[in-house]
Amino acid sequence: DTAVSQTPKYLVTQMGNDKSIKCEQNLGHDTMYWYKQDSKKFLKIMFSYNNKELIINETVPNRFSPKSPDKAHLNLHINSLELGDSAVYFCASSQGPGMGEQYFGPGTRLTVT
Amino acid sequence: GQQLNQSPQSMFIQEGEDVSMNCTSSSIFNTWLWYKQDPGEGPVLLIALYKAGELTSNGRLTAQFGITRKDSFLNISASIPSDVGIYFCAGRTIGGAQKLVFGQGTRLTINP
Repeated sequence: DTAVSQTPKYLVTQMGNDKSIKCEQNLGHDTMYWYKQDSKKFLKIMFSYNNKELIINETVPNRFSPKSPDKAHLNLHINSLELGDSAVYFCASSQGPGMGEQYFGPGTRLTVT
Repeated sequence: GQQLNQSPQSMFIQEGEDVSMNCTSSSIFNTWLWYKQDPGEGPVLLIALYKAGELTSNGRLTAQFGITRKDSFLNISASIPSDVGIYFCAGRTIGGAQKLVFGQGTRLTINP
């Protein structure tokens, strides 16, 4: 009965590869988010989708492309991975774009070697 | 961009002690949230605050939405070992694409 789930939990890959992270929420929420947490634990929003529509797109390299096939899923595809992409990526969801209570997934630790 | 200043960055306390941490911002927020993150896990929502001056409790946790809307504090009373973790404040921006801005976190360590 996990509310927000992500796969995989760990991802180790080499520079230049392309990888995807998947996220699903079963809370019936309309809005989903991707956050990046760096080595100093700082959390920063990357993207947000509301009902499959992109509503927040922070200053993120074009190599990152989110995709929302339906409002319960938000995937993150990363092209040409770089060392600096190593971080923990969190998916989150909320009832709506203006609703402050966001619920987070368990995170995906990406390590680029 | 908007930034939240969360302090202290770390705390080392004895079990049973009370804990206090706070966040300040140069901007006004219309929501303040407090999260706790355990190692290897995602942040878990502890308390949500929606009105200036609001004081809300959740068990041993108490948080307040500052009257100026630019600050919030979280208190933990009678700390126990499972309180160990990183606590984050987050403020929701006003207008436009409303988003959460997070503080740098307060790492709490408890000596039994």
